[in-house]
Amino acid sequence: AQSVTQLDSQVPVFEEAPVELRCNYSSSVSVYLFWYVQYPNQGLQLLLKYLSGSTLVKGINGFEAEFNKSQTSFHLRKPSVHISDTAEYFCAVKKSSGTYKYIFGTGTRLKVLA
Amino acid sequence: DAGVIQSPRHEVTEMGQEVTLRCKPISGHNSLFWYRQTMMRGLELLIYFNNNVPIDDSGMPEDRFSAKMPNASFSTLKIQPSEPRDSAVYFCASSILAGGYNEQFFGPGTRLTVL
Repeated sequence: AQSVTQLDSQVPVFEEAPVELRCNYSSSVSVYLFWYVQYPNQGLQLLLKYLSGSTLVKGINGFEAEFNKSQTSFHLRKPSVHISDTAEYFCAVKKSSGTYKYIFGTGTRLKVLA
Repeated sequence: DAGVIQSPRHEVTEMGQEVTLRCKPISGHNSLFWYRQTMMRGLELLIYFNNNVPIDDSGMPEDRFSAKMPNASFSTLKIQPSEPRDSAVYFCASSILAGGYNEQFFGPGTRLTVL
């Protein structure tokens, strides 16, 4: 079975500072990896995804993530955050074949401070 | 495209009452998912449908919960009778399988409060 761990439940950071949100997964089979963002009172929207190929994936709003197979990690980064990035971020994993099912992490609340 | 549509957006009801949540997936999508989000348990998959057929309902917490998808453009999640511990945000998501990958598009959610 697959699982996702987001160790940081909350990450406060000052505006224009860099940020990294951590995600580790476990799986015995090949997986796809995703980051979703949830703004207050909204549904989740896809930020970026890793399916195959280059391990550095760029997404919307200046975010990027790096897939590290040896460390089973998929950390999300942004070099300079804005107040508008304040939201909850979810890492998710899905087997690359045989299922439609996503497994989500518990989420990391990013709070950008002025 | 209007995206995934959920109704109602907010529902407040009393314990013991029946609650029905509704979802209209994106046109052309062939998979539909119901999730529940709480502070304690995060985002949990309740059930998902493919081509209107329930594929995996192992996440449905109890017999009080039931879900239907009578056609490709409509699904319901029913709780009968409701209990205070059912209070949560319920999300519907839809996707289409393309190239071995299905991206899920989420609706805005229904915030359910059971008193």
